[in-house]
Amino acid sequence: DAEITQSPRHKITETGRQVTLACHQTWNHNNMFWYRQDLGHGLRLIHYSYGVQDTNKGEVSDGYSVSRSNTEDLPLTLESAASSQTSVYFCASSESIWDGYTFGSGTRLTVV
Amino acid sequence: QQQVKQSPQSLIVQKGGISIINCAYENTAFDYFPWYQQFPGKGPALLIAIRPDVSEKKEGRFTISFNKSAKQFSLHIMDSQPGDSATYFCAASRQYNFNKFYFGSGTKLNVKP
Repeated sequence: DAEITQSPRHKITETGRQVTLACHQTWNHNNMFWYRQDLGHGLRLIHYSYGVQDTNKGEVSDGYSVSRSNTEDLPLTLESAASSQTSVYFCASSESIWDGYTFGSGTRLTVV
Repeated sequence: QQQVKQSPQSLIVQKGGISIINCAYENTAFDYFPWYQQFPGKGPALLIAIRPDVSEKKEGRFTISFNKSAKQFSLHIMDSQPGDSATYFCAASRQYNFNKFYFGSGTKLNVKP
């Protein structure tokens, strides 16, 4: 069965360290996304990609970067982790808005 | 500035009751309004969606009511069950663009047996 997987599920890192969160999908979707989920804010778009070599900034992109070298993967990198980036991060893919997002199970990141 | 305002933040309903979650928006350019359901430890999943050319959409026990003039839409869960206990997010988008897609802040629903 097709799926979207995120790793790790939990991560604790120190302020200033570079961190990369992995996202891998086997749906063959061109569209992939990273959201962060914080209490009281719902889900906010960090970065998104419409295909290989395409990346775009979302609403809360400062301090984050992504790259898309193939259809299946969209890793999210925190260049220099800050305590404000403590959050739950969700990767998603989609064929179209009408089909809805398929979300991964999330990565809980704590920056200490 | 939150594009979509959702209320209440949490909701407790008895089994068999009706759960009602409300959302409001200001941008009249929004033209697609989905609801997502999220269980603990999982990502959100599309539950039901509506376009503004209809005032109501029903799928099983779940109904979206849409009031274009008031710029409000709501989710009604009829005959609520303990298995419906989850966090619900409304959302809105413009012109079916992923980068113009905004989620509400979420409502945690607890259905008591």
